[in-house]
Amino acid sequence: AQSVTQLDSQVPVFEEAPVELRCNYSSSVSVYLFWYVQYPNQGLQLLLKYLSGSTLVKGINGFEAEFNKSQTSFHLRKPSVHISDTAEYFCAVSLTSFGGSQGNLIFGKGTKLSVKP
Amino acid sequence: EAQVTQNPRYLITVTGKKLTVTCSQNMNHEYMSWYRQDPGLGLRQIYYSMNVEVTDKGDVPEGYKVSRKEKRNFPLILESPSPNQTSLYFCASISAGHSNGYTFGSGTRLTVV
Repeated sequence: AQSVTQLDSQVPVFEEAPVELRCNYSSSVSVYLFWYVQYPNQGLQLLLKYLSGSTLVKGINGFEAEFNKSQTSFHLRKPSVHISDTAEYFCAVSLTSFGGSQGNLIFGKGTKLSVKP
Repeated sequence: EAQVTQNPRYLITVTGKKLTVTCSQNMNHEYMSWYRQDPGLGLRQIYYSMNVEVTDKGDVPEGYKVSRKEKRNFPLILESPSPNQTSLYFCASISAGHSNGYTFGSGTRLTVV
């Protein structure tokens, strides 16, 4: 079975500072990896995804993530955050073979990023 | 615009009164899924459907039903809602090719009193 651990439930940071949101996963087979963002009172929006190829993935709004297979991690980073980045961020995995519950996204419990002026 | 549409956005109901949350996608996706989001628990899958007339239970199916009579629609049915079903619900869809990730609806906030 797959699982996702987001190591920080809350991350406070000052505007223009760098931020890293940590995500570790557990799986005995290949997975796809995703980061989603949820702004207050809104749905989930895909930030970026890793399917294969380059381990450094760039997403929307200046975010990037690095897939590290040996450490089973997929940490999300941004070099300089803005007030508008305040949101909850979810890391998720799914199996690479599609079908049945293998299409299921397994989510972490989320990290609330709070950007202060 | 490619999207997943859920209705209603907000719903307050009483215990035991049957309700349906609708979900529709316009991307011709084969796979659709329902999740519930609860504080500190992240998102958990309730039911999923691989195609028309093919549905199966996810991780937390108790108290819910679904149907998939048409490819675009995947309603979530609560036959007898209880207060522990108070939650934020999301519908999502994905193509069988899987490469673009899931598209989520805007969510339905359900309160059962």
